[in-house]
Amino acid sequence: GDSVTQMEGPVTLSEEAFLTINCTYTATGYPSLFWYVQYPGEGLQLLLKATKADDKGSNKGFEATYRKETTSFHLEKGSVQVSDSAVYFCALRTGNQFYFGTGTSLTVIP
Amino acid sequence: DAGITQSPRHKVTETGTPVTLRCHQTENHRYMYWYRQDPGHGLRLIHYSYGVKDTDKGEVSDGYSVSRSKTEDFLLTLESATSSQTSVYFCAIQITGAPAEQFFGPGTRLTVL
Repeated sequence: GDSVTQMEGPVTLSEEAFLTINCTYTATGYPSLFWYVQYPGEGLQLLLKATKADDKGSNKGFEATYRKETTSFHLEKGSVQVSDSAVYFCALRTGNQFYFGTGTSLTVIP
Repeated sequence: DAGITQSPRHKVTETGTPVTLRCHQTENHRYMYWYRQDPGHGLRLIHYSYGVKDTDKGEVSDGYSVSRSKTEDFLLTLESATSSQTSVYFCAIQITGAPAEQFFGPGTRLTVL
């Protein structure tokens, strides 16, 4: 079945460090791909999205490129801030169902 | 922002009691979803709805039922709560677009003693 695998956490980085969170997927057909972010005590918020191969989603300095050849959608940010501390979820949509990864907790220290 | 609320936000209950969680949206979106979030499992789909009185099971539907008698309300019922149903429950709606995306409610933290 369709699924998403993302790197285990937790991840701890110093402020201004480079961030990569790996995400790979398994899906039949051509899924849409998403990254969601969850701050403590809140629901998930959409961070970025991509619809087709080679699309790049971007928002708030975060980027991810839909790579069909490697079935990946890795999240990157060039310089993280303390305010980026949160849990990040990779997700895919096929039809009207969404599948989520297990989440990667990020802590950024000053 | 899509208007989506969940009630209650927190609940503590005893094993064996029925519990109903409510999700309410203000924008008449067709698709609504219930997930549970547990450490190490991410989000898992419990049930979803694709219209009034139209629902289907998700990955972890055992012990749960849902109802949707109005477009704006999607109810999740734990018929006889168990400790394994202690979790954070999120409702989501699907917002049409390219691509369609999900918008989440604030969550309900349920503790079953």
